[in-house]
Amino acid sequence: QVQLVQSASELKKPGASVKVSCEASGYSFTGFAMNWVRQAPGQGLEWMGFINTNTGNPTYAPGFTGRFVFSLDTSVSTAYLQINSLKDEDTAVYYCATHRSGSYDNWGQGTLVTVSS
Amino acid sequence: QSALTQPPSASGFPGQSVTISCIGTSSDVGAYKYVSWYQQHPGKAPKLLIYEVTKRPSGVPDRFSGSKSGNTASLTVSGLQAEDEADYYCNSYVGSYIYVFGSGTKVTVL
Repeated sequence: QVQLVQSASELKKPGASVKVSCEASGYSFTGFAMNWVRQAPGQGLEWMGFINTNTGNPTYAPGFTGRFVFSLDTSVSTAYLQINSLKDEDTAVYYCATHRSGSYDNWGQGTLVTVSS
Repeated sequence: QSALTQPPSASGFPGQSVTISCIGTSSDVGAYKYVSWYQQHPGKAPKLLIYEVTKRPSGVPDRFSGSKSGNTASLTVSGLQAEDEADYYCNSYVGSYIYVFGSGTKVTVL
C-alpha cells in the first residue's frame, strides 16, 4: 500500500533553515507529482505547490516563492521541502501528498516545524 | 490567489444531512472539473473524500457526495454519524498548474 513517511518535528531559530523529508513507498515514485501543504496552528490548509517527480521541475503557489525549495532524490523515493530564512510565521505542520486526477489521494503524517527564538 | 469561501461551521443531528458550500469564481470552481474535498480530524492528516467534483475514492462511504453548480461546489454528508465530526476543506484547480484550498468548515454532530 502507498505510504508517505515524513521526518520528525523540528525546532529552529528565526533565520535558520529546515529541510523536511517525505519518503514514499508502495508505488512508482515517479508516477505522481508530490505536493506540499501547510497548516499553521489552528488554521486551514494552504497549498504550497508541487514537484514533478519525473523532471524535478517545481511549481510554487503565490506566497511560497523565494524561501521555499522543493527537491527530490529519486534513488531513495524521497521528496524534500526546504525553508530558508525561517520566520515565526513559518511555524506550522507541513504535509506531503501525492497528486492524482486533480486531487491529493495519499498524505504523509505531517511534520511540525516550530520557529522560536 | 484567495482561498475559496466556505462557511466556518455546519451542524446536524445524527442521521440528518449536512451540505457544505465552496464558493469560487468563473476562473476556478466554475471553470474546471478538478474540485476535491477533504476530511480532517484533529491532529490527523487530511483524507480525500471526493475528486473531480463527484467521484469517490474506493473506501469512502456513499454517504459522502459532491456536486457543482456554476461557481459553487458542494459536499453533502447524508446519514450523519458521530465520526463525521471533523473539519472539511474543498480544493480547486485555478489554472496554470495552481490549486487553492477553501477556508474550511467545522462540522459538529449535535
